Amino acid sequence: GAGVSQSPSNKVTEKGKDVELRCDPISGHTALYWYRQSLGQGLEFLIYFQGNSAPDKSGLPSDRFSAERTGGSVSTLTIQRTQQEDSAVYLCASSLGPYGEQFFGPGTRLTVL
Amino acid sequence: GNSVTQMEGPVTLSEEAFLTINCTYTATGYPSLFWYVQYPGEGLQLLLKATKADDKGSNKGFEATYRKETTSFHLEKGSVQVSDSAVYFCALSDSNTGNQFYFGTGTSLTVIP
Repeated sequence: GAGVSQSPSNKVTEKGKDVELRCDPISGHTALYWYRQSLGQGLEFLIYFQGNSAPDKSGLPSDRFSAERTGGSVSTLTIQRTQQEDSAVYLCASSLGPYGEQFFGPGTRLTVL
Repeated sequence: GNSVTQMEGPVTLSEEAFLTINCTYTATGYPSLFWYVQYPGEGLQLLLKATKADDKGSNKGFEATYRKETTSFHLEKGSVQVSDSAVYFCALSDSNTGNQFYFGTGTSLTVIP
């Protein structure tokens, strides 16, 4: 597709379950970012991938959060043993390279009951 | 460290009113500055950017000038329209900190006819 896509668009899960969120960046974009947007909050940086370099994981809030990017393209954000405070919109963005304009996906709204 | 502080909302204006949304930043290096906009039901998209001091970014009638002396990047528009109703995010990218983007908390703007 022409833009960044994310799936699912909505996810409702029970506390303690694991979830996987998927991001398909724009083809050719080497940089990929994950953010979390909680109600009334700004965008919280989670993790950044740039090409084949080691990802910048400095924003991950706990060791329950992890992400991988396979083949330099699709990325999966995994949240283990979800908690209610994990409820938020998870946004993915990609850019041609570092410093470039970020193109955002529509987000995945996660609700943990 | 790096951070972005922007004017809290919500902001409600009448059509054709003048808009200012304040944004100030702290950065360890020489950041690039951005305004992103999120229209209702849509993903974030870049509105304008400036990459060095005294640069002015402009798009769709919006302007912002990178002021290093006041560490500010205020967003302005001379005459707002109903279609400008959205949430506006100020952001910075600092190459000194691994290209991570730092976003403000967002300012909600509603323009009434």
